[in-house]
Amino acid sequence: EAGVTQSPRYAVLQEGQAVSFWCDPISGHDTLYWYQQPRDQGPQLLVYFRDEAVIDNSQLPSDRFSAVRPKGTNSTLKIQSAKQGDTATYLCASSRTGGYERLFFGHGTKLSVL
Amino acid sequence: GDKVKQSPSALSLQEGTNSALRCNFSIAATTVQWFLQNPRGSLMNLFYLVPGTKENGRLKSAFDSKESYSTLHIRDAQLEDSGTYFCAAEAFGSWQLIFGSGTQLTVMP
Repeated sequence: EAGVTQSPRYAVLQEGQAVSFWCDPISGHDTLYWYQQPRDQGPQLLVYFRDEAVIDNSQLPSDRFSAVRPKGTNSTLKIQSAKQGDTATYLCASSRTGGYERLFFGHGTKLSVL
Repeated sequence: GDKVKQSPSALSLQEGTNSALRCNFSIAATTVQWFLQNPRGSLMNLFYLVPGTKENGRLKSAFDSKESYSTLHIRDAQLEDSGTYFCAAEAFGSWQLIFGSGTQLTVMP
């Protein structure tokens, strides 16, 4: 069984540039999460989906960040105008049933904003 | 304050020794998961716990929901156990996992 797949692995941007991250969850997992992990901290939830629906995006900076999962499978997280404070690893995770199930992570995208 | 507080923040061990990591919760945690993040950044799920204990090889974990804590015991530490260990709790009524800040473990030969 394939794991959670993310791309790209690394991204380096200048402030003000846009970037998109892509995630393919484990087949059959209906719940998909995007986490932000700043250096030397634990992952912090940005947004999560059940199928194609956003369940909670209250931690997503809505002025510059957006996330979609149009067919309830793959997902894209986009930063419109990156800031230096966005420098972090962006992790995608998936699980079945959205709770009370093990969470599996992709390897992450390491973003540096200069 | 921290809803999920991990201790210690860092730990160094000699190969072959034992250690215990701890998480204290200030939320009503219903389930706990433990993860190991390797130096390349990949997070591996070690345990999913409801109140009780689980064991897998040299690892053993316990979750006491009444006393609001969880522990991870590593027996006979090996070099490949090095990395950052995170615990994460699912709060009652929520499907979100709240992560601690991690314990950075270094196993030395």
